[in-house]
Amino acid sequence: QLQLQESGPGLVKPSETLSLTCTVSGGSISSSSYYWGWIRQPPGKGLEWIGSIYYGGSTYYNPSLKSRVTISVDTSKNQFSLRLSSVTAADTAVYYCGQITIFGYFDYWGQGTLVTVSS
Amino acid sequence: DIQMTQSPSSVSASVGDRVTITCRASQDINSWLAWYQQKPGQAPKLLIYAASSSQSGVPSRFSGSGSGTDFTLTISGLQPEDFATYYCQQANSFPPWTFGQGTKVEVK
Repeated sequence: QLQLQESGPGLVKPSETLSLTCTVSGGSISSSSYYWGWIRQPPGKGLEWIGSIYYGGSTYYNPSLKSRVTISVDTSKNQFSLRLSSVTAADTAVYYCGQITIFGYFDYWGQGTLVTVSS
Repeated sequence: DIQMTQSPSSVSASVGDRVTITCRASQDINSWLAWYQQKPGQAPKLLIYAASSSQSGVPSRFSGSGSGTDFTLTISGLQPEDFATYYCQQANSFPPWTFGQGTKVEVK
């Protein structure tokens, strides 16, 4: 059974960089059948796709966040990571990592981690 | 970007009811649509993909239909564990993949 687990600081100061890592177990992040990605959900609001990476290293970002987002993969650790720069209070959200089928469906999700942007 | 609009935003229902949720895309997405269920404090769970295909392990009371721009999620015989928020998501074109705003199924 595939499992994903987000990790990283729960509190980030405004203007700094949010960094999260997703560790994948029970499956290989090098599979050509899946993308790996990040989704966020501000408190009480809906879901927003942030970006995804494919096993070959190709990245795809939400245009609304593209200038601030970097997603990378470490196949040796079966992990992928998110960096979101210049954060503001509007970036406060639960951040989920997920496995995405090549058809674009999010079939496995991590439990989510709340990141609060505050001084 | 393709905009996804769900209706209603919330629905009050009783156990045993048939519940229908609608999702409309701002342009033709063929059948590239998924439905997710999210309970408080939990990650979303994939229910339906390709508009009408059920994810493994999903109860048969959940069904999806539609193509083009108009889609429906139906819960036939609402169970206590089905009270949750439901989201649609288009997978026709990205970036970005986009979600509807959600429909909360509440106890009547």
